[in-house]
Amino acid sequence: AQSVSQHNHHVILSEAASLELGCNYSYGGTVNLFWYVQYPGQHLQLLLKYFSGDPLVKGIKGFEAEFIKSKFSFNLRKPSVQWSDTAEYFCAVLNNAGNMLTFGGGTRLMVKP
Amino acid sequence: DTAVSQTPKYLVTQMGNDKSIKCEQNLGHDTMYWYKQDSKKFLKIMFSYNNKELIINETVPNRFSPKSPDKAHLNLHINSLELGDSAVYFCASSQYGEGEQYFGPGTRLTVT
Repeated sequence: AQSVSQHNHHVILSEAASLELGCNYSYGGTVNLFWYVQYPGQHLQLLLKYFSGDPLVKGIKGFEAEFIKSKFSFNLRKPSVQWSDTAEYFCAVLNNAGNMLTFGGGTRLMVKP
Repeated sequence: DTAVSQTPKYLVTQMGNDKSIKCEQNLGHDTMYWYKQDSKKFLKIMFSYNNKELIINETVPNRFSPKSPDKAHLNLHINSLELGDSAVYFCASSQYGEGEQYFGPGTRLTVT
């Protein structure tokens, strides 16, 4: 069975600080990985996704993530966060059939102005 | 222009009641989903429908009954509501096999 772990439950940063959120997955099939963001009171939106190819994936709003197969990781990064990045961030893995996303427990990021 | 819409946005009801949540998508997708997000923000899939047929049912109590009248709609009916059903329920859609799912705004259900 697939699973996703996000070890940082709460992260507090000041504006302009660099961000890295951890994501580790457990899945035996072809790996398709996602990062979603949920701003306060809003629905989930896709930040970026990895299906194949370049393991360094760039997404919206200056976010990027690196797929490291040997570490079973897909960490999310941003060089300089803004107050508007305050949100809940979810890592997810897609099953082989392409019809089920398994989400990690989420990381709540608070950026102090 | 809303891609995935849900109604109602908020639902407050008493234990034992029966309620429904509706979801519609205008993206032309063939697969729709229901997720439950608990108070700790943990997000878990409940059901998935592809072309109106149930393809995923993740050990959800049978008080929950999804219905898909057509590919663009997936409704969730809940019988005999319990306190533990309080959560935010998200609908989502995708094209089968393509992975990326589009989420609705959520329905916050509060059972008192």
